[in-house]
Amino acid sequence: GQQLNQSPQSMFIQEGEDVSMNCTSSSIFNTWLWYKQDPGEGPVLLIALYKAGELTSNGRLTAQFGITRKDSFLNISASIPSDVGIYFCAGHHGGSQGNLIFGKGTKLSVKP
Amino acid sequence: DGGITQSPKYLFRKEGQNVTLSCEQNLNHDAMYWYRQDPGQGLRLIYYSQIVNDFQKGDIAEGYSVSREKKESFPLTVTSAQKNPTAFYLCASSRQGGYTDTQYFGPGTRLTVL
Repeated sequence: GQQLNQSPQSMFIQEGEDVSMNCTSSSIFNTWLWYKQDPGEGPVLLIALYKAGELTSNGRLTAQFGITRKDSFLNISASIPSDVGIYFCAGHHGGSQGNLIFGKGTKLSVKP
Repeated sequence: DGGITQSPKYLFRKEGQNVTLSCEQNLNHDAMYWYRQDPGQGLRLIYYSQIVNDFQKGDIAEGYSVSREKKESFPLTVTSAQKNPTAFYLCASSRQGGYTDTQYFGPGTRLTVL
């Protein structure tokens, strides 16, 4: 099955720094989603994007749906220790079937 | 409190045994999904169901089976035919199965086959 190209694989940053990660695909998506997963838990939805060019914020998080519909990025501003976790992008090609395609995740570590 | 529950959190089985993982939701969602997650990997779809008594294979259905007899329940059986069953299994649900319907995840079951 298809997977999205998500980068970077991991990041080690200092508390207070901004973070940026992105996902790219060879095919067009109609929906881009960003999830965060804590160790041993299920992913939690952070931001959902449904329209090309859409820029959406959720607190310190901002995500954009690329104009080409083949990419998306997630930014986290002023990182804090509780931002630690694995961030996944997920895309949907559209239609009535709910098949989400996931990236392999970006593991974020924050040094206090 | 509405949500998705998966039980148990940890499950150990001997090789060659079938095992059934539970997933229940009280969100009144029509669609339910099972994903498998391996270390350092994204989630891969095993099976999904858009309505009661109907389900479809995902990308990695071999060695797994499901049933959807009730709207709120979507159990997954890992059969002895699954060659590498040790993994973290995640259940999700969405209002319907369309691309605008957000999928919400349960807490997961970690299966270890000895």
